[in-house]
Amino acid sequence: GESVGLHLPTLSVQEGDNSIINCAYSNSASDYFIWYKQESGKGPQFIIDIRSNMDKRQGQRVTVLLNKTVKHLSLQIAATQPGDSAVYFCAENAPGENYGQNFVFGPGTRLSVLP
Amino acid sequence: GAGVSQSPSNKVTEKGKDVELRCDPISGHTALYWYRQRLGQGLEFLIYFQGNSAPDKSGLPSDRFSAERTGESVSTLTIQRTQQEDSAVYLCASSLGPAAASYEQYFGPGTRLTVT
Repeated sequence: GESVGLHLPTLSVQEGDNSIINCAYSNSASDYFIWYKQESGKGPQFIIDIRSNMDKRQGQRVTVLLNKTVKHLSLQIAATQPGDSAVYFCAENAPGENYGQNFVFGPGTRLSVLP
Repeated sequence: GAGVSQSPSNKVTEKGKDVELRCDPISGHTALYWYRQRLGQGLEFLIYFQGNSAPDKSGLPSDRFSAERTGESVSTLTIQRTQQEDSAVYLCASSLGPAAASYEQYFGPGTRLTVT
């Protein structure tokens, strides 16, 4: 989903279905990408990363796809479980000077798993 | 091993008071970041420390905000004369190396600041 204003886009999926969360990134020079999961009241946790020399990477129940042509990143969660309910952020990192703003975070998507 | 820790976990303060938030990064991590996260929003970069280099303060929203870091250990974020719009969760993250080398950031649980 795309971010609009102050409201997080929300994705609702049925337990057991697959989830796909999308992220459009901004910098064509970005060469490293991370997906984070943030549960209520906690800090973001690393899920999976991918470098720009790859277009797909798989983890446990998660797959990240990178399309550099259209600057799009997606996170696929297989067999979504109630514990997957959280806000998911993508982050991009562009090479360059040693500055803190090299990492840019997307606005987040709230995943809600329905019983 | 221990992760990034932050204290206090919650802080309620009156408008106009100063607050100090603390971050203990993972031992050996040279980079440390502070972010602000308003309710229902993404992460807003505030300040970045890398080793002994001058910090990148480009994200600080006003001169009421400042941060210090002692060597490669503890960092404190200070907000002077707090305003209601400062209410947010303040997240600290550390990484093994610099941002430019794409080192993963490890986040603390955050400090929830409420200004009344």
